[in-house]
Amino acid sequence: GAGVSQSPSNKVTEKGKDVELRCDPISGHTALYWYRQSLGQGLEFLIYFQGNSAPDKSGLPSDRFSAERTGGSVSTLTIQRTQQEDSAVYLCASSPSGDGWDEQFFGPGTRLTVL
Amino acid sequence: AQSVTQLGSHVSVSEGALVLLRCNYSSSVPPYLFWYVQYPNQGLQLLLKYTTGATLVKGINGFEAEFKKSETSFHLTKPSAHMSDAAEYFCAVTFTGGGNKLTFGTGTQLKVEL
Repeated sequence: GAGVSQSPSNKVTEKGKDVELRCDPISGHTALYWYRQSLGQGLEFLIYFQGNSAPDKSGLPSDRFSAERTGGSVSTLTIQRTQQEDSAVYLCASSPSGDGWDEQFFGPGTRLTVL
Repeated sequence: AQSVTQLGSHVSVSEGALVLLRCNYSSSVPPYLFWYVQYPNQGLQLLLKYTTGATLVKGINGFEAEFKKSETSFHLTKPSAHMSDAAEYFCAVTFTGGGNKLTFGTGTQLKVEL
């Protein structure tokens, strides 16, 4: 079946612009996660959704970052007033139930470059 | 604080040689342990995981890992390296009662030479 998909695959933007990153999880997966991969910080957790609710937003680095999930499916990560330090690969993952032992299935990522 | 440490950001082995990638964790509660692999320009793929039960876990592509509680380790091994194993490997944990977000190590880039 289809895996996790993300769009766009690459995004180049200018400092100060807003960007939206999209994630389509595996159908039926109730849990959805956003992570960020950058050279300086490695792989870091951003936010976790269970259904449409976000019980853990502890990894969002600033109030410029927000995310939503609708219909228990698609999620959008929005970065407002982008800064150069936001340049990274943004990874989305989904899992069947959100239990700690569940495998998380990752998408290919969106590479964000802020000029 | 709970954390994951991967010793060696770059490891180089000859084709056919043993692969050993090290992972240690710090936690006051039982962990769930994962190894993920990332091939160039691709997403992360699960190699194997330990949740409960048998401490020696076998995964895909001939990899295995052993959970050693006394050493707080979960090292990844493969008896004989193939060129196709060249990739970046990440150890990750979730923790009982700690939610289910993955905490990753810094990754080990594996190079396989002829």
